[in-house]
Amino acid sequence: AQSVTQLGSHVSVSEGALVLLRCNYSSSVPPYLFWYVQYPNQGLQLLLKYTTGATLVKGINGFEAEFKKSETSFHLTKPSAHMSDAAEYFCAVKTEAGANSKLTFGKGITLSVRP
Amino acid sequence: DGGITQSPKYLFRKEGQNVTLSCEQNLNHDAMYWYRQDPGQGLRLIYYSQIVNDFQKGDIAEGYSVSREKKESFPLTVTSAQKNPTAFYLCASSIRGLANEQFFGPGTRLTVL
Repeated sequence: AQSVTQLGSHVSVSEGALVLLRCNYSSSVPPYLFWYVQYPNQGLQLLLKYTTGATLVKGINGFEAEFKKSETSFHLTKPSAHMSDAAEYFCAVKTEAGANSKLTFGKGITLSVRP
Repeated sequence: DGGITQSPKYLFRKEGQNVTLSCEQNLNHDAMYWYRQDPGQGLRLIYYSQIVNDFQKGDIAEGYSVSREKKESFPLTVTSAQKNPTAFYLCASSIRGLANEQFFGPGTRLTVL
């Protein structure tokens, strides 16, 4: 079975500060990992994904994430927060193929950015 | 423009009524999904379909039904058997395969009065 843990429900940073959103997964097989962003009353938009290959993945809007197998983690970072980054962020994992292929989401983290 | 449309954006229904939420995609994706989102609970999978005329229950299928008669369409019916139907409902689609991400529609907010 696969699962995702996002520690904390809310993170607040100052504009220009480092953004770090944590994600840990549980999987008995190599995972495929995704980060999505959701703005209020909208659908989800893909930020980045890890499938195979390079463990440091760059995404849109200056975000990146690093897959660390030994720590079962896929934390999302951005060097300098912008006001427009305020949103909810979801980490998700997928491990099974075929008819059982589905994404399992974490509970999400709300990011606030202070001026 | 290719994408996923969900209609309506906001929906109000009286308790005990069935209601159908629309989801249409023109991305030529085989797989489609329905999620329910509640505050603080993330997204929970209701039903998914990997191919036309076939679908599987997700984690919270009770009180819901779906059909997949066309590749482009995957409507969700919220029945009167669903105990707490008020929520934000999201539809998604994807190319089949482990590495492929899901694309999401804008969502429908259902309020049962």
